[in-house]
Amino acid sequence: QLQLQESGPGLVKPSETLSLTCTVSGGSISSSSYYWGWIRQPPGKGLEWIGSIYYSGSTYYNPSLKSRVTISVDTSKNQFSLKLSSVTAADTAVYYCARLIAVAGKADYWGQGTLVTVSS
Amino acid sequence: DIQMTQSPSTLSASVGDRVTITCRASQSISSWLAWYQQKPGKAPKLLIYKASSLESGVPSRFSGSGSGTEFTLTISSLQPDDFATYYCQQYNSYSITFGGGTKVEIK
Repeated sequence: QLQLQESGPGLVKPSETLSLTCTVSGGSISSSSYYWGWIRQPPGKGLEWIGSIYYSGSTYYNPSLKSRVTISVDTSKNQFSLKLSSVTAADTAVYYCARLIAVAGKADYWGQGTLVTVSS
Repeated sequence: DIQMTQSPSTLSASVGDRVTITCRASQSISSWLAWYQQKPGKAPKLLIYKASSLESGVPSRFSGSGSGTEFTLTISSLQPDDFATYYCQQYNSYSITFGGGTKVEIK
């Protein structure tokens, strides 16, 4: 059974960089059938796609966040990572990683989510 | 960017009711639409993909329809476990957008 697990600091100071890693177990991240994404959800609000990456390293970002986002993949560790720079309180959210099906664009497996709070 | 508009934002219904949620895209997305269910404190769960395909393991009381810019999620007979928030999601050229969500509450 595929599992995804987010990890990283739960508290980040304003203007600093938020860094999270998603570890994939029970399957390989190196498949052309899937790509891997980050989605966030501010407390009490809806879902926002941050960006996605293929195992090859090809990336796709939400235009509204593109200038601050970097997503990378480490196939040797079966992990992919998110960096979001210059964070503010508006970036406080639960951050989810997910597997997306390349053709259908559906997110069929999700991590449990991790709350990241931006505060001094 | 493609915008997704869901309606209603909140829906009050009773067990056994037929429930319909609508999602509209700002431009045609063919059938590249998925629906998710989310309960408090949990990750979203995929229900429907490609507008009308039921994800494995999802009860048949859930169904999806539509194409182009207008889509619907229908729950044929609302069950106690179905009280949750529902999101639509479009997929277009590797870009993804979610709708604002519809909370289904107990009437």
